[in-house]
Amino acid sequence: AQSVAQPEDQVNVAEGNPLTVKCTYSVSGNPYLFWYVQYPNRGLQFLLKYITGDNLVKGSYGFEAEFNKSQTSFHLKKPSALVSDSALYFCAVRDGWAGYSTLTFGKGTMLLVSP
Amino acid sequence: KAGVTQTPRYLIKTRGQQVTLSCSPISGHRSVSWYQQTPGQGLQFLFEYFSETQRNKGNFPGRFSGRQFSNSRSEMNVSTLELGDSALYLCASSLGSAAGGTTDTQYFGPGTRLTVL
Repeated sequence: AQSVAQPEDQVNVAEGNPLTVKCTYSVSGNPYLFWYVQYPNRGLQFLLKYITGDNLVKGSYGFEAEFNKSQTSFHLKKPSALVSDSALYFCAVRDGWAGYSTLTFGKGTMLLVSP
Repeated sequence: KAGVTQTPRYLIKTRGQQVTLSCSPISGHRSVSWYQQTPGQGLQFLFEYFSETQRNKGNFPGRFSGRQFSNSRSEMNVSTLELGDSALYLCASSLGSAAGGTTDTQYFGPGTRLTVL
């Protein structure tokens, strides 16, 4: 079985400061990892994904994520937070060795960026 | 390219009724997945369709069903509605492939907010 843990329900950061949203995963095979963001009353927007290759993945809106196989983590980062980054962030994993595996989401982390 | 569209955006039903939600995927996408989002349970996978075939099913009762048409559009149906079915129902589409498409990115629609009274 595959699973995702987002240990923080909420992350608070001041505008201009760096932000990190944590994610750890568990899969039997190869992890394919995704980050999504959700604004109020909207669907999920894709930010970035890791499939293979460079452990540092760059995505939309200045976000990046670092894949760490030994720590089974895929933390989302941004060097300088904006108030408009305030939203709900989801990490998701898929097992790359399972032919028709589904996407499993974490519970989500609310990011609040204060002016 | 137009994104994933879902209709209706909002629905209010009473217990015991049934409801049908519709999803139109991004043009060229052949895989459609459905999720239920609630504050308590988060995002839970309902089912996935590829080329009109259900490929995966989540842990939901048989009252939840779906189908996919030849143009890749998908519908999900919930019969005998319960209060606990109140949720945001999200549809996501991806390119899909016969081999499984596990590296595909899923693109989400805005969701249908279902309220059961």
